[in-house]
Amino acid sequence: DVKVTQSSRYLVKRTGEKVFLECVQDMDHENMFWYRQDPGLGLRLIYFSYDVKMKEKGDIPEGYSVSREKKERFSLILESASTNQTSMYLCASSSTDSSTDTQYFGPGTRLTVL
Amino acid sequence: QKEVEQDPGPLSVPEGAIVSLNCTYSNSAFQYFMWYRQYSRKGPELLMYTYSSGNKEDGRFTAQVDKSSKYISLFIRDSQPSDSATYLCAMSRQGGSEKLVFGKGTKLTVNP
Repeated sequence: DVKVTQSSRYLVKRTGEKVFLECVQDMDHENMFWYRQDPGLGLRLIYFSYDVKMKEKGDIPEGYSVSREKKERFSLILESASTNQTSMYLCASSSTDSSTDTQYFGPGTRLTVL
Repeated sequence: QKEVEQDPGPLSVPEGAIVSLNCTYSNSAFQYFMWYRQYSRKGPELLMYTYSSGNKEDGRFTAQVDKSSKYISLFIRDSQPSDSATYLCAMSRQGGSEKLVFGKGTKLTVNP
């Protein structure tokens, strides 16, 4: 079974803090994704990565950055957290080996910025 | 027009009912169609995966894709209280290796 884990289930931070969200997958997947999920807006893609040290902007990258130093780990960084970044953050991974594969999600991190 | 439209519900049905969940989409390039189930405060889990048009069955779940109408459906037979969750449709041009476009989800409650 594919396993995607995220470092924290719940996180509370203050405005202006630097926040790190970590994601680890154990299936040797090439692709990793960060989404945020908000009521009424659904899931929106923040950043994704096709390979180590590679990153691509998604639909809403402003205020975020990412790091992928190892294949299994993809980090989302909020450089200076703001209240409008309060959200559920979901990490996903997928393989490029087969076009029939899909994305597998982690349990999510519910971030509150005060 | 939004790329993917999904009725948010909520949908409430009695145990044992047949449930029909639907999404429409506008991008004719979509080839891969997925249904995810998301329990409250959890991550989405893959339920069904379909390539191109046609039907796919897995136990009590059936996924249908009609590309000519740009319409996909998920049917749940003999629904159970444990099926109570939010159901998300998702789709892409090239499977899971690229961005998935999601519907906003339909919240389903199955009452005992």
